[in-house]
Order: sequence, then structure tokens, then C-alpha cells
Amino acid sequence: QKEVEQNSGPLSVPEGAIASLNCTYSDRGSQSFFWYRQYSGKSPELIMSIYSNGDKEDGRFTAQLNKASQYVSLLIRDSQPSDSATYLCAVNSNSGYALNFGKGTSLLVTP
Amino acid sequence: DTAVSQTPKYLVTQMGNDKSIKCEQNLGHDTMYWYKQDSKKFLKIMFSYNNKELIINETVPNRFSPKSPDKAHLNLHINSLELGDSAVYFCASSTQGGTEAFFGQGTRLTVV
Repeated sequence: QKEVEQNSGPLSVPEGAIASLNCTYSDRGSQSFFWYRQYSGKSPELIMSIYSNGDKEDGRFTAQLNKASQYVSLLIRDSQPSDSATYLCAVNSNSGYALNFGKGTSLLVTP
Repeated sequence: DTAVSQTPKYLVTQMGNDKSIKCEQNLGHDTMYWYKQDSKKFLKIMFSYNNKELIINETVPNRFSPKSPDKAHLNLHINSLELGDSAVYFCASSTQGGTEAFFGQGTRLTVV
């Protein structure tokens, strides 16, 4: 069973729309959840972290966590072409000493 | 002022060679990692070090040998390179294991 699962996409949304990215994880003991953005040829960049059930907002980004359903999501409001990238979901491993990543969802925001 | 820096950025080498990648962080973090990103962009943990001590070794061939001379440095030496080792290798660090990790710029290794 894969530990962190994401739909690979590509997810295509028009400029100005809301992009919704989803992630499920298998380890019920996981406590820390992260969203990274990776542009082509670049390194992953942390954009959101969330530790408690519910929503966490930061600018145009909202992370949502539901531990009972083992589900994390990222909403990007007012999507811009510059948001086009691969979004990686990461969850702390059961050992606690690393992050396990999903395979990423490719987002394309069209003008 | 780069937080996590790794060198070289690009590495092209022949099969059978030995090569090293160096990583340094100036964030004062206790934990450092090596991740491998394959051609399908999957980012997989290879090693995790906490305060110079190896914590995680994720079924990586023993041709890969990490070394941490101090908690700010984590180097990766690869012996007898194979075609399948071609990938982007990322160094990262965090305050402690499993917390927010910050990545270096990556080393694109191509084995020919």
C-alpha cells in the first residue's frame, strides 16, 4: 500500500478559478502534513504545513486536514499561471525521522 | 545567503565510476536527508541523519554511503555507478526529523 497518494493529473484550471489538490495517506499515526510546490527543474519549496484537523489559510492557499479520513487537501484561490507547477503532499513517516512524499499533482493554470 | 547548498549541480559520469555529492546547511538544523527523485518525479527518502547519526537507511544499495562529519554537513558517496542511478538527488534539512524540510537545489546525476 502506497503511503501517500495523489492524483498525478494534470489538473487544468482557468486563471482566476479555485484549484483543489487532494492527498490521502495510510499511516494513522502521522502528525505532520505539508504541501510543497516544485517548478520544473527546481527543488521542492514548502508552501503550507498543517498539524491539526480543520483549515489553515495563508494568502491564496488553504490547507485542509481530516485525520479521521486520512485526507489532506490544498485549495488555491484566484489561480494564476505562475501557480502552474507540481504540488507534492508530504507526511511524516512512521519512524518520525523523514517525510514521505506523494508522486505529486501537476497543475496547469491556463490564461 | 543559501540555506541548504549542494554541489555539484550537474554531474555526468560513466558507468563504474565513483562520485560524491556534498551538502551543507546553515540553518542550524539537527536533521539532514538525502532524497532521490526519479524520472517520474517521485521523491523518495534515502537517508536521514540526526545530529550526525544515521537514523534511516531506506533499502538503498550499499554502493551509496552517506557521511556526516558534523550536523551541518551530509555528503553522499556513490561507488560503481550504474545507469539506474541517474536521477536528481536532493539534500534537505529540518529542525528535527519529520518536521518542515528545506531542500537544496538538487544534483542532476547522469550516468552514461
